[in-house]
Amino acid sequence: GENVEQHPSTLSVQEGDSAVIKCTYSDSASNYFPWYKQELGKRPQLIIDIRSNVGEKKDQRIAVTLNKTAKHFSLHITETQPEDSAVYFCAASYHTGNQFYFGTGTSLTVIP
Amino acid sequence: ETGVTQSPTHLIKTRGQQVTLRCSSQSGHNTVSWYQQALGQGPQFIFQYYREEENGRGNFPPRFSGLQFPNYSSELNVNALELDDSALYLCASSLMGGLINEQFFGPGTRLTVL
Repeated sequence: GENVEQHPSTLSVQEGDSAVIKCTYSDSASNYFPWYKQELGKRPQLIIDIRSNVGEKKDQRIAVTLNKTAKHFSLHITETQPEDSAVYFCAASYHTGNQFYFGTGTSLTVIP
Repeated sequence: ETGVTQSPTHLIKTRGQQVTLRCSSQSGHNTVSWYQQALGQGPQFIFQYYREEENGRGNFPPRFSGLQFPNYSSELNVNALELDDSALYLCASSLMGGLINEQFFGPGTRLTVL
């Protein structure tokens, strides 16, 4: 099955700086890569996703890049704010299965 | 907030007991996936139900079983509970058959096994 690795496990940035979280996956059949944000005690919430036919996608301060050849994808958060502090998870899935395989998470702390 | 609901919110059981967790999918969704999230870890895929049948399974033993009902809601059953089964159990609903893959999570059931 699919194996997703995520780095770093913890990340602290100053407010206003950028944060980058990286994930690699093993199954070349994976073609959908969502990112979830999970605040303490709450459900994971989808913040952005990317499909294999696209190399980059942006939504305001959040962007995701995908390199299918290298099998890695990254989350970029610019102009970080304290409310961005949470655990972020990447995941990989292939369309026919729609079964998500998650990374181990990155705990992001934005220091005011 | 998504329209996915789960019950109960919290549950305490003892080793060897059995437990049933429930999930109601978001309106318009026909697929439910179940995940186990241990403390400090990412969600681990347990299995998925589509058209009332299991449609894929992760690396979990047979004592983890499930059901899906005609209204697309689902149950997760765990027999012979072990201490390591203590975790947050999340269900996620999605629509199978289209291009869209998004899964929307419920609030989870926190299971503690003593």
